[in-house]
Amino acid sequence: QSILTQPPSASGTPGQSVTLSCSGSSSNIGSNSVYWYQHLPGTAPKLLIYRTDQRPSGVPDRFSGSKSGTSASLAITGLRSEDEAVYYCASWDDSLTGSWVFGGGAKLTVL
Amino acid sequence: QITLKESGPTLVKPTQTLTLTCTFSGFSLTTTGVGVGWIRQAPGKALEWLAIIYSDDVARYSPSLWGRVTITKDTSKNQVVLTMTSMDPADTATYYCARNPSIIGLFDYWGQGALVSVSS
Repeated sequence: QSILTQPPSASGTPGQSVTLSCSGSSSNIGSNSVYWYQHLPGTAPKLLIYRTDQRPSGVPDRFSGSKSGTSASLAITGLRSEDEAVYYCASWDDSLTGSWVFGGGAKLTVL
Repeated sequence: QITLKESGPTLVKPTQTLTLTCTFSGFSLTTTGVGVGWIRQAPGKALEWLAIIYSDDVARYSPSLWGRVTITKDTSKNQVVLTMTSMDPADTATYYCARNPSIIGLFDYWGQGALVSVSS
């Protein structure tokens, strides 16, 4: 069971907006940055959002990140068929000796 | 152009030690604030962080694998090596290496992954 909790699935139709959530605690999301990755089967995960709300160059502004308290969100606007993938959130967890933790992943289906 | 590539055995037996090598190009592990880490994904499971080593030789490990995993670097060869002892079928996974620059904070460039199966 992952330390960061993500609803396992989400869906939307082309053009719609969807929001993926990631729930953590005060030792991770509550006090550290959040990262989001897009993962297609058989490929390397792609960084979408870093330091909670920053986009790497080349990532469309349709993707945006935010957090409030111990929860974070990834919003995707103007949904496209190529957005169908598994999305992971990640954060540093300060408990014990500290570690990077990932969420369980959310499969986004574009209907 | 930044690239990373994992190499190592595709099949190991239970109780054996796994050694995986990440060979990278386009950046240097002598640059302050840069790290290279390992992440794995078991079939049908989520990503799991394993270890990371930084340019200043600081290494951090996942508490769940403490004592089984060692990460080292060879800056002259642009390589990072992950060693995992006492392999078990539950360690069957795709193993990724990835770069972690301090300006980003977590992994930006990833290798394509190497599938390792643990079976007798």
